[in-house]
Amino acid sequence: EIVLTQSPGTLSLSPGERATLSCRASQSISGNYLAWYQQKPGQAPRLLISVASNRATDIPDRFSGSGSGTDFTLTISRLEPEDFAVYYCQQYGSLVWTFGQGTKVEIK
Amino acid sequence: EVELVESGGGVVQPGGSLKLSCAASGVTLSRYWMHWVRQVPGKGLVWVSFGNSDGSSTNYADSVRGRFTISRDNAKNTLYLQMNSLRAEDTAVYYCVKGGADGGFDYWDQGTLVPVSS
Repeated sequence: EIVLTQSPGTLSLSPGERATLSCRASQSISGNYLAWYQQKPGQAPRLLISVASNRATDIPDRFSGSGSGTDFTLTISRLEPEDFAVYYCQQYGSLVWTFGQGTKVEIK
Repeated sequence: EVELVESGGGVVQPGGSLKLSCAASGVTLSRYWMHWVRQVPGKGLVWVSFGNSDGSSTNYADSVRGRFTISRDNAKNTLYLQMNSLRAEDTAVYYCVKGGADGGFDYWDQGTLVPVSS
């Protein structure tokens, strides 16, 4: 089973700043089937990025994904107040899906 | 508009059973893979189970294999999760999730809390 490790655990930033979130896999992810989700308190997660870099429907272009193999990154170019939340990466392979432990982006 | 509405949650005793239902509207479930994901309040997301579009292929997380069963009734456009031999560690919010074309989970319901407690 592929294990995903997200870093940092918590990111303290101010609105307008750039956020860079990392997701590292224990082995290479075939087909770059790596997704990113945003979750706010009391809400279900929301798909942001699929296949490492494809923005989901209605996701603002300040969110971007990159990477391949074992190292992936979610970048939020300029944080808006509504972007402070927990972010999870997720991989898919061989009919098994796993999530990272999450990165909390909090207001500094 | 896609909507997933879950029902069947509630308190269950250890060793007991519960069946969650997820009724879909605005989407034809028979065209998509579907999943269940759970989350202990305050903790991270854990994938639980997958079923392909016609239900002929399924898979489970090791922690629930042999106790949980995913199924669907495409005529009713509804997904199910039968949970048997429940344990305290199964306590979580359970989400019904639609799989997207490229592996991402593109629609989630609001989740239902399943407390396993005596």
